[in-house]
Amino acid sequence: EAGVVQSPRYKIIEKKQPVAFWCNPISGHNTLYWYLQNLGQGPELLIRYENEEAVDDSQLPKDRFSAERLKGVDSTLKIQPAELGDSAVYLCASSRSGQGANEQFFGPGTRLTVL
Amino acid sequence: AQSVTQLDSQVPVFEEAPVELRCNYSSSVSVYLFWYVQYPNQGLQLLLKYLSGSTLVKGINGFEAEFNKSQTSFHLRKPSVHISDTAEYFCAVKADSWGKFQFGAGTQVVVTP
Repeated sequence: EAGVVQSPRYKIIEKKQPVAFWCNPISGHNTLYWYLQNLGQGPELLIRYENEEAVDDSQLPKDRFSAERLKGVDSTLKIQPAELGDSAVYLCASSRSGQGANEQFFGPGTRLTVL
Repeated sequence: AQSVTQLDSQVPVFEEAPVELRCNYSSSVSVYLFWYVQYPNQGLQLLLKYLSGSTLVKGINGFEAEFNKSQTSFHLRKPSVHISDTAEYFCAVKADSWGKFQFGAGTQVVVTP
């Protein structure tokens, strides 16, 4: 079974430029998560999808961040424009359901550096 | 709201020695508790989880954790570590059926020969 796939693995951009990250979850997983992980910190939830619906985006900075999961499968997270403070690892995870203690499976992450 | 505190940011340990990673949480409701491991340049991988029942939970790679409700703790242990256990370990809590995961800041374990 393939795991959660993320691309690109690394991205270096200049501030004020746009950037997009892509995630393909494990087949059959209805729930998809995007997390932000700063250096030396644990992951912080940005947005959670149940199928194609964003059910928790309270921590997503909506002035510059956007996300979509149009067909309830893969997802894209976008930042426009990027700021220096956005440098971090962006993790995608999926699970069968957001209910209960269903295990989250994490992708390897995209490491973003904003210069 | 819930919170998670990992009491040690870094734990150095010699190979074949035991290790304990401490995790305390706060929540006004019952919780699910988890430990994840993150190897360099990889995503997080589940080690074990506590849902209910026996307070001693066994996970992969020889790890185990004990849930202590009165002390609101969920400490992770391994009786004998290997070099390959060098990684970052995260404690996480999920407060209700549809709640979100709250992760601790992580504990870096460095195993030396």
